[in-house]
Amino acid sequence: KNQVEQSPQSLIILEGKNCTLQCNYTVSPFSNLRWYKQDTGRGPVSLTIMTFSENTKSNGRYTATLDADTKQSSLHITASQLSDSASYICVVSGAYGQNFVFGPGTRLSVLP
Amino acid sequence: DSGVTQTPKHLITATGQRVTLRCSPRSGDLSVYWYQQSLDQGLQFLIQYYNGEERAKGNILERFSAQQFPDLHSELNLSSLELGDSALYFCASSAPIAGLLIDEQFFGPGTRLTVL
Repeated sequence: KNQVEQSPQSLIILEGKNCTLQCNYTVSPFSNLRWYKQDTGRGPVSLTIMTFSENTKSNGRYTATLDADTKQSSLHITASQLSDSASYICVVSGAYGQNFVFGPGTRLSVLP
Repeated sequence: DSGVTQTPKHLITATGQRVTLRCSPRSGDLSVYWYQQSLDQGLQFLIQYYNGEERAKGNILERFSAQQFPDLHSELNLSSLELGDSALYFCASSAPIAGLLIDEQFFGPGTRLTVL
């Protein structure tokens, strides 16, 4: 069964600290993996998109890694800001970029 | 602002009723996706249209249907509504990413449906 798991379920960190969120998937065949940021009650916003041939991709303070062999991805946030408080969702697409499977998300709270 | 618009923002209705959610994609985007996000399920892909044709289907119930019109706006029709259909419904449109055979999706603000 195609599944995407994320850990931790929730995370609280202090402003300025770094953190890493994890995503494990069983989707096969694999096309691409995306990380989204979703503020409460708003639509998700794309952070990174990686295909099977990419190991790492950065978007400002966000750096995503992908290990297609172990089917794992991580999202590292550097020097966190209060505005980083949101849910972070990992999405894996199957063949031809279809069959989108969403992870449950990690709820990040950044405290002053 | 992603450029994707959805109406209405909020909708309250009763069980057994039928509602229509509307989505206007970003200018130039041919693909429209519909997603459901409920508290206990997370985001779920429902259906995708490309230039008026159905392209991919996810976990869409038979009570739900969608279409994309010649002007590329899309509507999601939900009928025989149940309490469990209460959720946020998102629409996204997409544009190809240069050099890749995949699209980047841009999500609208969502329609919050409450079924009483």
